[in-house]
Amino acid sequence: AQKVTQAQTEISVVEKEDVTLDCVYETRDTTYYLFWYKQPPSGELVFLIRRNSFDEQNEISGRYSWNFQKSTSSFNFTITASQVVDSAVYFCALTSANAGGTSYGKLTFGQGTILTVHP
Amino acid sequence: DGGITQSPKYLFRKEGQNVTLSCEQNLNHDAMYWYRQDPGQGLRLIYYSQIVNDFQKGDIAEGYSVSREKKESFPLTVTSAQKNPTAFYLCASRDREVHYGYTFGSGTRLTVV
Repeated sequence: AQKVTQAQTEISVVEKEDVTLDCVYETRDTTYYLFWYKQPPSGELVFLIRRNSFDEQNEISGRYSWNFQKSTSSFNFTITASQVVDSAVYFCALTSANAGGTSYGKLTFGQGTILTVHP
Repeated sequence: DGGITQSPKYLFRKEGQNVTLSCEQNLNHDAMYWYRQDPGQGLRLIYYSQIVNDFQKGDIAEGYSVSREKKESFPLTVTSAQKNPTAFYLCASRDREVHYGYTFGSGTRLTVV
């Protein structure tokens, strides 16, 4: 079975602060994909990043960066110099890439972290 | 533009009534999914379909039913057997391989009155 844990239910910061959202996952699969999604008040999930289990390189995209550590089963997300527009619910998710397995293609989500950035 | 259309955006249901949520995609994706979102619980999988005329139960299928008669359509029926149907429902689709990722609709908010 797969599991994703986002221990931080809510985070509140002031604009321009850096903030890290934690994500810890559990899976028995050797090949899998991890995702981060942003959910603004409109409700639609916005894709941020996908990372496969063989690629442990950190990634930076503008103010966003991701730290994938297979040894600790974590895939943390950092927003540098946060802005009010970053306020949203953020979800970490996991899917198996083991074709033929029972979890293949099923996206398992964490509970989500509500991020509020105050001006 | 390709995407997923969920309708209606808001839906009100009286207790004891069945109601059907629509999900249509024009992405030519093989797999489609229904998720339920409740505050503090993330998104939980209700049903999913990998190909036309085939679907499987997810983690919380009780009180729900689906059909997949066409590749582009995956409607979800919330039956009267679902004891607590008030929630936000999201539909998603995925191309053949998982590394292509998922596309989500804008959701339907269902409220029982």
